[in-house]
Amino acid sequence: QLHLLESGPGLLKPSETLSLTCSVSGGSISTSRFYWAWVRQPPGEGPEWIGSVYYGGSTYYNTSVKSRVTISIDTSKNQFFLRLNSVTAADTAVYYCARHYSDFSNWFDPWGQGTLVTVSS
Amino acid sequence: QSALTQPASVSGSPGQSITISCTGTSSDLGGHQYVSWYQQRPGKAPKLIIYEVTNRPSGVSDRFSGSKSGNTASLSISGLQAEDAADYFCSSYINTITVFGGGTRLTVL
Repeated sequence: QLHLLESGPGLLKPSETLSLTCSVSGGSISTSRFYWAWVRQPPGEGPEWIGSVYYGGSTYYNTSVKSRVTISIDTSKNQFFLRLNSVTAADTAVYYCARHYSDFSNWFDPWGQGTLVTVSS
Repeated sequence: QSALTQPASVSGSPGQSITISCTGTSSDLGGHQYVSWYQQRPGKAPKLIIYEVTNRPSGVSDRFSGSKSGNTASLSISGLQAEDAADYFCSSYINTITVFGGGTRLTVL
């Protein structure tokens, strides 16, 4: 069964860079059927899709963060990554990684357990 | 502000049926069949329960069903059980961007 696990710092100061890793187990990240996504959820709000990466390295991002975000992938380690520059308090959220089916469809399954990132001075 | 509009809360008694709506526009939800629904229990990650408007992943109870009419999608839950108490989010797709609703909290009385 596929399992995803997020890791990274939980506390950042404004203007710092958020860096998270998603480790995938129970299956290969090098599959042609799926993308791999980052989704965040601010406290008490609905989720927000950040962006997705294909095993070949192609990416697409939400316009809300496109100027600050980079998502990358390392197939040799079965991991993918999120970098978000110049964070502010508005970036405080639980960050999830998920498998993203986007081939003439659009859904996320499964999701990781999530990791809380707080931006505070 | 979410691109998709959901009621903030719904409630029902055990055994009853409820429906949660998700309203978008002809550009997103109304233009295709890429609507999905997620259940999120407190402190847990979202779980996919409906995809492509009406399809249930393996292992999801058939008490959950989805539908769509025009620019509004709906999630119905029949035979309410205490374990159904959770937040429910809809999701759709517009111009390569995935959007989510603000969520509906289901209370089982």
